[in-house]
Amino acid sequence: QVQLVQSGAEVKRPGASVKVSCKASGYTVTTYGISWVRQAPGQGLEWMGWINIYNGDTNYAQRLQGRVTMTTDTPTTTAYMELRRLRSDDTAVYYCARSATPADYFDPWGQGTLVTVSS
Amino acid sequence: SYELTQPPSVSVSPGQTASITCSGHKLGNKYTCWYQQKPGQSPALVIYQDNKRPSGIPERFSGSNSGNTATLTISGTQAMDEADYYCQAWDSSTVIFGGGTRLIVL
Repeated sequence: QVQLVQSGAEVKRPGASVKVSCKASGYTVTTYGISWVRQAPGQGLEWMGWINIYNGDTNYAQRLQGRVTMTTDTPTTTAYMELRRLRSDDTAVYYCARSATPADYFDPWGQGTLVTVSS
Repeated sequence: SYELTQPPSVSVSPGQTASITCSGHKLGNKYTCWYQQKPGQSPALVIYQDNKRPSGIPERFSGSNSGNTATLTISGTQAMDEADYYCQAWDSSTVIFGGGTRLIVL
């Protein structure tokens, strides 16, 4: 079945970077992209960006431009999201989700990765 | 910037119909989808392209989108439907989520 499995929880200091992975399986990975969405504690969903697995094209949310980088490793069918210069308000659960295009719906979602930023 | 507005909460009695709205400027001209999120779980798609149900989603979930409002309707609401629901649309090269609605099944 289609499945996205994410890496484990992380604790980081302010100013550090974090890299979250998302391994896709159960479908032809290069025919879809991966979106990243985060959810701060008790808050709603925030889209971070999308990456085309086939050619690496990206589309980032404007407010994260310059701090976020999305990459993929096609042989291992794994997508990565790196967020730099972490702040306390970056504390959130980070999700990856399959979507054909950045404008498309997200299905399915990974299990989520909690990133805690604390001094 | 584009915004999607949802009511913070909606209450419904078991067996009744729940309607959750999502409002945005000319939203009817865009595709809208809906996600259900239960506590401690990842969001799950329940409606896409305004009114299509993914496989495995019960028929009691339906959607519509016209004018400035998209609506998620749950007919014969069950206790298991109690969750947060988020609408989503695409505008100006950005994914927009509504603020979410907590469905309370009393």
